[in-house]
Amino acid sequence: QVQLQESGPGLVKPSGTLSLTCTVSGGSISSYSWSWLRQPAGKGLEWIGHIFSTGNTNYNPSLNSRVTISADTSTNQFSLKLRSVTAADTAVFYCARDSVAGSLRYFQHWGRGTLVTVSS
Amino acid sequence: SYELTQSPSVSVSPGQTASITCSGDKLGNKYACWYQQKPGQSPVLVIYQDTKRPSGIPERFSGSNSGNTATLTISGTQAMDEADYYCQAWDSGTVVFGGGTKLTVL
Repeated sequence: QVQLQESGPGLVKPSGTLSLTCTVSGGSISSYSWSWLRQPAGKGLEWIGHIFSTGNTNYNPSLNSRVTISADTSTNQFSLKLRSVTAADTAVFYCARDSVAGSLRYFQHWGRGTLVTVSS
Repeated sequence: SYELTQSPSVSVSPGQTASITCSGDKLGNKYACWYQQKPGQSPVLVIYQDTKRPSGIPERFSGSNSGNTATLTISGTQAMDEADYYCQAWDSGTVVFGGGTKLTVL
């Protein structure tokens, strides 16, 4: 059974870069696509973007200019960098494995989430 | 950009049927899925590809999708079903979520 675990600083200063890593166990990251999502406190889910098994990426247009997702197959991890953060970026960040059925991309496997607060 | 709209809240009595809807332009032409999220927990997939239940999800959860509306139906609702529910679709290479519906079991 695949398991995902987010890690990274819980506090980031405004205008800085948020960096998170997702460690995957129970399967190779080379075999699937992987996503980052976030959820501000008391609000809904937002997809940030994903990285395909080819290494190609696709980002939410609303965040595209600030986001980079990368993967390291040697450590079975993938990472998120979100630049120029503000308080509005404070959220619980989740990593997830993409599943595909027909034309639907969805998420059956999620990490537990990690809270990142943007504050000075 | 594509949008999915959900009612903020739905209430249901224990044992009754709860219906949670998700609206989007020609949503019936796409596939939808649904997640359940309880406080402090990660979302759990309860329906995918409109009608399919992942292993381990009770049969009382079912889904449909036609026209502009996808519907999650919970038959014989139990207290443990009280949670936030999110619909999700895939449009033009982007994952789109509805705003979520809080299901209260009174």
